[in-house]
Amino acid sequence: GAVVSQHPSRVICKSGTSVKIECRSLDFQATTMFWYRQFPKQSLMLMATSNEGSKATYEQGVEKDKFLINHASLTLSTLTVTSAHPEDSSFYICSARDLKDASTGELFFGEGSRLTVL
Amino acid sequence: SQQGEEDPQALSIQEGENATMNCSYKTSINNLQWYRQNSGRGLVHLILIRSNEREKHSGRLRVTLDTSKKSSSLLITASRAADTASYFCATVVYGNKLVFGAGTILRVKS
Repeated sequence: GAVVSQHPSRVICKSGTSVKIECRSLDFQATTMFWYRQFPKQSLMLMATSNEGSKATYEQGVEKDKFLINHASLTLSTLTVTSAHPEDSSFYICSARDLKDASTGELFFGEGSRLTVL
Repeated sequence: SQQGEEDPQALSIQEGENATMNCSYKTSINNLQWYRQNSGRGLVHLILIRSNEREKHSGRLRVTLDTSKKSSSLLITASRAADTASYFCATVVYGNKLVFGAGTILRVKS
């Protein structure tokens, strides 16, 4: 089955530092990947759509300079939380859609990355 | 942004009982999907129902869709403790983005 690998699964950093999270599709290609943020006991909120070879599309209210997204290849997208602050602490989840099966809309999810900013 | 509401927000049942979760959405859809999330983990796709379908089964899962009411339900029969998780419905909106409902936290007691 389609597998999405997300790394790191947990990261703790000091306020003001930047953190990079990687999302890889291991056995399929994805021109589009999605980044979600989830607070405890809440649903997933779409942050941005990562497009291979072009700029990411951000949802309203999401600061693009704060959350840098790079989608350099058909199997890798990265999210960099720049100058992280405690309010950025959250669970970040990436997902990808198989290029060959884009019509259904089904997404494959990574295991998530829990960011804690001290 | 979230597509709609789910109810109940939380559901606690005994092992062996059935669990029903409901989802409402706002816009027209091509399909509606249900996902499961174990605590602190990623999401797993459970089932997809197309807009021209009214009911779909997969193992112990049964999904219904009422496009006139813009609602769907997920039934888990003969629940097990391992079914304890959060369940989300999701729909594809403009830009081919998947937007999730608020979710139902299911707890199955053994």
